[in-house]
Amino acid sequence: EAQVTQNPRYLITVTGKKLTVTCSQNMNHEYMSWYRQDPGLGLRQIYYSMNVEVTDKGDVPEGYKVSRKEKRNFPLILESPSPNQTSLYFCASSLRSGYQPQHFGDGTRLSIL
Amino acid sequence: KQEVTQIPAALSVPEGENLVLNCSFTDSAIYNLQWFRQDPGKGLTSLLLIQSSQREQTSGRLNASLDKSSGRSTLYIAASQPGDSATYLCAVLMDSSYKLIFGSGTRLLVRP
Repeated sequence: EAQVTQNPRYLITVTGKKLTVTCSQNMNHEYMSWYRQDPGLGLRQIYYSMNVEVTDKGDVPEGYKVSRKEKRNFPLILESPSPNQTSLYFCASSLRSGYQPQHFGDGTRLSIL
Repeated sequence: KQEVTQIPAALSVPEGENLVLNCSFTDSAIYNLQWFRQDPGKGLTSLLLIQSSQREQTSGRLNASLDKSSGRSTLYIAASQPGDSATYLCAVLMDSSYKLIFGSGTRLLVRP
């Protein structure tokens, strides 16, 4: 089954404790992206990747890191999480940016205390 | 800076009604526009994607139009059903940067 898988689905942690949210897709997609969704602010793009080893900032990249060493994986790293990063995070992928619709994971709800 | 606006923010209609959701954007330099559906506790499901050179796309009871020059798109849902209840989001992919900019969504409730 074609899917985008995020882990964990839920996480409660404390300020400053490094964490990684994994994202994996099994569709051989080139384009992958991370978003956060906040009430009143909607969905905002954090980082995206056009292909392996090619990443670029979205609208809200501060406090986040990403890497794209393999085509299928695109982890989101919070080196020193802060409470303002409490949010619902989505990973998405598409075959190539532009022509194809994006497929979304089910989301990761992060709470930073 | 691109801004995407969706009106109305919420809509409640009786089953069977035809309805229109609106999306407007301020910068016409877009690559494409997508309409998504989001169910509570779930991710987004892509409904329709319209390339900037296209005027409309259809899928079943859904029809999306795009007027790039005026910065508007509409999603038309025919013969609405309770199962259509969800939040509908539009998003534009920027031409120059490949950034995806979302509207804040329209929350739709179709009453049986």
